[in-house]
Amino acid sequence: GENVEQHPSTLSVQEGDSAVIKCTYSDSASNYFPWYKQELGKRPQLIIDIRSNVGEKKDQRIAVTLNKTAKHFSLHITETQPEDSAVYFCAASRTGNQFYFGTGTSLTVIP
Amino acid sequence: DTEVTQTPKHLVMGMTNKKSLKCEQHMGHRAMYWYKQKAKKPPELMFVYSYEKLSINESVPSRFSPECPNSSLLNLHLHALQPEDSALYLCASSQVGKAGDTQYFGPGTRLTVL
Repeated sequence: GENVEQHPSTLSVQEGDSAVIKCTYSDSASNYFPWYKQELGKRPQLIIDIRSNVGEKKDQRIAVTLNKTAKHFSLHITETQPEDSAVYFCAASRTGNQFYFGTGTSLTVIP
Repeated sequence: DTEVTQTPKHLVMGMTNKKSLKCEQHMGHRAMYWYKQKAKKPPELMFVYSYEKLSINESVPSRFSPECPNSSLLNLHLHALQPEDSALYLCASSQVGKAGDTQYFGPGTRLTVL
């Protein structure tokens, strides 16, 4: 089956700096890569996703890049704010009904 | 309505109790999921229903019993649970469960087994 690795496990940045979280996957047939943000005690919320026919996608301060050849994808958050502090999970899927999640990154934005 | 709802928010039960978790969505989605999440870990898939039929059961112990009465509702029946089953139980739904579908999560039920 698919194996998704996520790094780093914890990340602290100063407010206003950028944050980058990286994931690698093993199944070359995976074609959908969502990113979820989960605040303490709350549900995972989709923040951005990318499909395998696209190399990059941006939504305001958040962007995701995908390198299919190297089988890795990354989340980029620019101009970080304290409310960006949360746990971020990447995931990979090829069938739609089975998501393989990374182990999570705990992001802390220091005011 | 663009939300997945879950009840109850919190549940405390003894090892001999029988209880049920409920999940509801009115987005017209035909795939629904149960996940278990331990603190600071990713969600672990338990069950997938596609068009009201169980399509994936990730070797979950029989003390967890899912049920999909209709396309909007998903239940998880609990019986004779163990303390290690204490976790956040998340429901999710997606359009049809095909490649590229996004899964939307409910707020979860925080379960404590005494």
